[in-house]
Amino acid sequence: GENVEQHPSTLSVQEGDSAVIKCTYSDSASNYFPWYKQELGKGPQLIIDIRSNVGEKKDQRIAVTLNKTAKHFSLHITETQPEDSAVYFCAASSNTGGFKTIFGAGTRLFVKA
Amino acid sequence: DAGVIQSPRHEVTEMGQEVTLRCKPISGHNSLFWYRQTMMRGLELLIYFNNNVPIDDSGMPEDRFSAKMPNASFSTLKIQPSEPRDSAVYFCASSPRGSWGTGAFFGQGTRLTVV
Repeated sequence: GENVEQHPSTLSVQEGDSAVIKCTYSDSASNYFPWYKQELGKGPQLIIDIRSNVGEKKDQRIAVTLNKTAKHFSLHITETQPEDSAVYFCAASSNTGGFKTIFGAGTRLFVKA
Repeated sequence: DAGVIQSPRHEVTEMGQEVTLRCKPISGHNSLFWYRQTMMRGLELLIYFNNNVPIDDSGMPEDRFSAKMPNASFSTLKIQPSEPRDSAVYFCASSPRGSWGTGAFFGQGTRLTVV
């Protein structure tokens, strides 16, 4: 069945450094890839997304890249701040088959001040 | 808008009891999702409604779980009878049109503990 693998499961960086989280998906029909940030005690919150007709998208300190051929997509956070500490989830879905979204297992990011 | 509203925030119940979780989606959103989150299994989609109609319930673990959406502004997830392995955080999310192209807006979740 469909699967999304996410790495690493835990990531610790120094404030100001960059953080990169990588995901791989299995369903070649996937064409929409959102990223969510989940803070303690809260629900996941959409922070950025990318569609399959685009290779890269940037929003301030956050950027996503997509390699459709390799079925890889990544989240890049630059100039990390302590408030970036959270669990990040990648996800993949398609506009066919009922819009089912498959989530990665999550990456716990620690930004040390 | 207040966002997706879930109730209760916390629920502790005894094994065998019926549990009902409630969700009010964002007004105007026509898709609603129920997810379950555990350390072992991560975020799992349980069921998805579009225009109040269940589209995909393949994630519902077993017959003890049922979900309804009687109107566009309310949905329930019921577990009867509850078991300790049902302990998890249950999230409701809504979206303007599936979750394709717009992402989903999640509620704060209901932390369920079955003892």
